[in-house]
This record gives sequence, structure tokens and C-alpha cells, in this order.
Amino acid sequence: ETGVTQTPRHLVMGMTNKKSLKCEQHLGHNAMYWYKQSAKKPLELMFVYNFKEQTENNSVPSRFSPECPNSSHLFLHLHTLQPEDSALYLCASSQETAGGYEQYFGPGTRLTVT
Amino acid sequence: SQKIEQNSEALNIQEGKTATLTCNYTNYSPAYLQWYRQDPGRGPVFLLLIRENEKEKRKERLKVTFDTTLKQSLFHITASQPADSATYLCALEKGGSSASKIIFGSGTRLSIRP
Repeated sequence: ETGVTQTPRHLVMGMTNKKSLKCEQHLGHNAMYWYKQSAKKPLELMFVYNFKEQTENNSVPSRFSPECPNSSHLFLHLHTLQPEDSALYLCASSQETAGGYEQYFGPGTRLTVT
Repeated sequence: SQKIEQNSEALNIQEGKTATLTCNYTNYSPAYLQWYRQDPGRGPVFLLLIRENEKEKRKERLKVTFDTTLKQSLFHITASQPADSATYLCALEKGGSSASKIIFGSGTRLSIRP
């Protein structure tokens, strides 16, 4: 495995629910990322954290709220989602956010919003 | 706007032949280019990284070229095997000491037939 774990692997939630996705990396990396992957679309970078500080938010709707309590853990809190938010949500980590470092991805959480 | 195009959505190759995948980009000046492999239901796995001042990189049966004049990268798998069947993603990123934004192509699905 890649050293990045994500839970849950599958999640079905209604539009009024609140849920959280969890990511943990065991690689000693300093940077962590959330991506959204929809069918037939490129990976969309959502949030970037470097040394626990958020460094990028790519115009993500406020119904997605990230949290990074330490360099090893990353959460994505979800509330009042829409059906179009159904996708594979991938967490990744890298040594740093400066260019030239490969990213290690988790297996993803398949989210379905009903 | 920045754009990445991967040559085709799907590519079918006879086992033993060389598979060549293309990644073209516009309105972007990447310092690094990366290639990832993604299997169904799993996160992408890093394969190779090439820097803007490098023309070619090899790893076992894999070869990547990077032409910043043509704004193109070619990804070759020699002596292809059915186990090489997967979706291959290219990703571009700028360099810099602060957070480096990475953008992904939508991928090419490669099928190697026996």
C-alpha cells in the first residue's frame, strides 16, 4: 500500500446530513491534499495543507470544510451537500508542497449524495 | 486558461508492442511533469517525474520525454503486458519555494490485449 489510508471507503449521505472523511499518512510527509475525482473529468485539487497550515483553497464551496490537526491527519467535513458532489474524494501527501515531489494517494472515499 | 490534453480517452495495444501516450499543455510553464497510473477504484500511483531541463527519463520499461518547446510529454511503455492496462494521468506543476499548484490531465485508459 501507499502509506496513506482513508476512511470510510464508501459513504452514502442525504443532502441534510453531516459527515466527515478521514485521511492519515504514515510517511512523515509535511504536505497533505484533498482532491475530487468525477467521472471523465480531471482530478480537481480542493485544498492543500503544508505543515498544518492551509495554503490553497481552490474556490471550494463552504459546504466542504477541511481540518488538519497535525501533519499526519486530514479531515474533510461535509454538510448540506448536493447530488453533484457525488464523486471519489482522494487524499494525498507529499514531502513538501514545493514542486518536484511526488504525491502518494490514498484509496479514496466513494461518496454518493442522495 | 491553463489546459492539459491527453491524446485520447482510450488506447488499445497488442501485447509486446510499445504503448505511447501523449500529454499536451497550453498556457502553462511547468517546472515539473509527472506521470501516474490509476487502476479502477484506487488512487493514482506515482510512476515518473521529469524536470523542465531534462529531455528524457527512464525507469525499467517506462520512458518519459519532455519537450518544453512543443509543450508536450510522451510516455512510453515498451514490451507492454496485459498487467499494464490502467488509466495513465499526466500532471504538471510549477516550481517555487511556496505551495506549488499541480494540475492533472483527465487520463488515457490503456488496454493491452493478449
